[in-house]
Amino acid sequence: GDSVTQMEGPVTLSEEAFLTINCTYTATGYPSLFWYVQYPGEGLQLLLKATKADDKGSNKGFEATYRKETTSFHLEKGSVQVSDSAVYFCALSDGAQKLVFGQGTRLTINP
Amino acid sequence: GAVVSQHPSWVICKSGTSVKIECRSLDFQATTMFWYRQFPKQSLMLMATSNEGSKATYEQGVEKDKFLINHASLTLSTLTVTSAHPEDSSFYICSARSPTVSYEQYFGPGTRLTVT
Repeated sequence: GDSVTQMEGPVTLSEEAFLTINCTYTATGYPSLFWYVQYPGEGLQLLLKATKADDKGSNKGFEATYRKETTSFHLEKGSVQVSDSAVYFCALSDGAQKLVFGQGTRLTINP
Repeated sequence: GAVVSQHPSWVICKSGTSVKIECRSLDFQATTMFWYRQFPKQSLMLMATSNEGSKATYEQGVEKDKFLINHASLTLSTLTVTSAHPEDSSFYICSARSPTVSYEQYFGPGTRLTVT
């Protein structure tokens, strides 16, 4: 079945550092891809999405590009802030529009 | 907009008892809601898809008689863990499908269940 694999955490960075969280997927069809973020004590929020190959999703300074050839959707941000500390989930939506999640990556940004 | 709430946020119960968790869409109608389970440091696993007015569709390996799901209105779905055991202790999260974008879901904050 479909699956998502993302880099294990936790990841700890200093403020203004460059962030990459790797995500790769396995799917039989052409899924939509997502990054969700979960701040402490809150529900998952959609951070960005891409619905077809070569699409780039972006939001709040974060970017991810749907790479069909490498089945990847890596999350990047050029300069992280303390407020970016959260758990980040990569996910795909299959033909039945159900979400399949990666294991989550906890990100901590130190001032 | 698009807020989903869950109640309670945490609950402790004794083995053998049943616990009900509510999931509400506060400012939109949700014909489809989803229930997930999250183990510590692990991903969210879809348990079932709940459609208003019809029976829930359970994922493979999820006991439908143990995890009763009811979606009686367009804003409320409930998950009842029956005859709970310590291995049912987990973080349960619900989501509601967007009424306008079918592949988007809005998530509740989750319910921490501890069975003693």
